[in-house]
Order: sequence, then structure tokens, then C-alpha cells
Amino acid sequence: EVQLVESGGGLVQPGGSLRLSCAASGFIFSNYYMDWVRQAPGKRLEWVGRSRNKAHTYATEYASPVKGRFTVSRDDSKNSLFLQMNSLKTDDTAVYYCARLSTGDPYYFDYWGQGTVVTVSS
Amino acid sequence: SYELTQPPSVSVSPGQTARITCSGDALPKEYAYWYQQKSGQAPVLVIYEDTKRPSGIPERFSGSSSGTMATLTISGAQVEDEADYYCYSTDSSDNDRVFGGGTKLTVL
Repeated sequence: EVQLVESGGGLVQPGGSLRLSCAASGFIFSNYYMDWVRQAPGKRLEWVGRSRNKAHTYATEYASPVKGRFTVSRDDSKNSLFLQMNSLKTDDTAVYYCARLSTGDPYYFDYWGQGTVVTVSS
Repeated sequence: SYELTQPPSVSVSPGQTARITCSGDALPKEYAYWYQQKSGQAPVLVIYEDTKRPSGIPERFSGSSSGTMATLTISGAQVEDEADYYCYSTDSSDNDRVFGGGTKLTVL
């Protein structure tokens, strides 16, 4: 059974940093692209960033609102995905989900975690 | 940037057919995907590549797409289908990955 479990959320002041983790199980993690998607209160889902797999050199991509501030990384030996968030803004307040991408193009999210809450406030 | 547009809400009685639409300029050349999100839970994929249903999703869920509009149809909607439904698609011309605004389905 595919499982994705996020952790690391919490309350942080504007300008601060936070590192989210996503522990994966039930599938061969190293084979898959993995994404972060967030949902601000009362808002639509928003794609945040992507980590491709080893076969695609772990290349990353980011949404414009987070580019230069957020970094997606992974540790295949620990079946884990990470999101390092720096220079946080109040607009970054959201539930952050990690999601597995389907195999092959076109890519889409086939499994999601339960999410972790990030609140940016003074 | 690319946008997908959904109606904010749809309401049906149990057993009726619910149709949720998603419009976007790139949909004639890009697939649409549909996610169900119940209150406080993670999204669940219910339709992929316009019309395909993942294993474990009830047959009453179906998808279609024509021109700039994709449609999620729930035939014989049940109370447990109450949820927010989001369409998702991409615009490969500028690498956008976007969700629609979500449609709250009420079955009562």
C-alpha cells in the first residue's frame, strides 16, 4: 500500500525558515518523481515544486511564487522527500502535501499524503 | 498564467446525476484530471487522462472532454460523494501546472 506521511509543519515568523519532510513507503521511491502541492485556507490547490528521479538527474522545478526561496530535495536511501522553505511570507501559510507522480509522461499526481500545516505569522 | 475554471458549487439529490465542468484554453490538447477531496482529507484521484478511472473508484464516476471543457459525471450520486472536486491540467507551452478553483458537491 502506498503511503506518504508529511511532517515538519508549524508556526514560523515571516522571514523565517522551515523544513518539511515526507516519508514514503509501499513503492520503490527512487523510481518516481515527487512533488509538493499546497493549499492555502479557502483557496485552490497550488503546485509548488518537483523532484525528478535519479534517472533524470534529480532535476528540480519550482512554481514562480516560491522560486529562489524553496528547495526540493530527496534522500532515496531513506525514502524521503524534503522541502526547505526560506524567507517565508504570510502568503505561504497553507497545508503542504507531498504527492507521487505517475510513471511516464503525461505526469499526474496518483497518491497524496495527508498534509502538514504551515502557518507564517508574527 | 493559465487558468482552469469550475463552478463553485453543484447540488443534487441522492440518485441523481451530478455534472461538474472545468474549462480551460489548453484542454483541447492537454488531458484533464479530477481529484476528490473530502473535508480534512488528502485529495484522491478519481479520473485521469480525461476518461480513465483508477482501480477502486466506483463505476458511477466518469469523465469526458470536448473542446475547451472537461466534465466529471457522477451517475447516481450518493451521500458519500459529497466533497470538493478539483480538475487539474497543464499547459505545456509555458510549463504551467494548475488546478481549477474547486467545486463543492452537495448531495442531499
